[in-house]
Amino acid sequence: DQQVKQNSPSLSVQEGRISILNCDYTNSMFDYFLWYKKYPAEGPTFLISISSIKDKNEDGRFTVFLNKSAKHLSLHIVPSQPGDSAVYFCAAGDDMRFGAGTRLTVEP
Amino acid sequence: NAGVTQTPKFRVLKTGQSMTLLCAQDMNHEYMYWYRQDPGMGLRLIHYSVGEGTTAKGEVPDGYNVSRLKKQNFLLGLESAAPSQTSVYFCASSYSGTVYGYTFGSGTRLTVV
Repeated sequence: DQQVKQNSPSLSVQEGRISILNCDYTNSMFDYFLWYKKYPAEGPTFLISISSIKDKNEDGRFTVFLNKSAKHLSLHIVPSQPGDSAVYFCAAGDDMRFGAGTRLTVEP
Repeated sequence: NAGVTQTPKFRVLKTGQSMTLLCAQDMNHEYMYWYRQDPGMGLRLIHYSVGEGTTAKGEVPDGYNVSRLKKQNFLLGLESAAPSQTSVYFCASSYSGTVYGYTFGSGTRLTVV
């Protein structure tokens, strides 16, 4: 059973515009959520996290929003840059359940 | 700054062969993990360790064994490789579980024929 789901396999945006990546989860007991970025032939790198007691966390161009009632979180990247092109994974729970990932392409 | 180092980076095995994947971290992290990544599946936890001498099963442990004899090393063993174990394997470590995020190695691409 996939407790963390990323329903969009890919997303393409223009440079300078906003990228919104979405993630849904099923376990209401999850209390910590993270986003990772992965480039080809490299391991995932930690990007940003949010605790369940918050609904927003911001770090530079990256903002994560959490909607606990909807069991939904999203990652906003503003403005998007070509170097942001990568696969983005959301993860949650004490045993770090990962979604399947969304491939973001930022076009110049 | 080595971080998490995985060896080997690539390997091809025949069905039934055995091998060990080595993960080494130089950050003095207590927690270490082995994941596999398959297309459309994200990363799935195989085994993990919360300290030297400890191991525990993750989401998909069958067909794998692990050992953590030294704090800096976490070994993943395949006793009798099967084609279903063809995957990319990632090792990760963390200071204290989930909160601070994990540091991942660059992966081992394993093909079982």
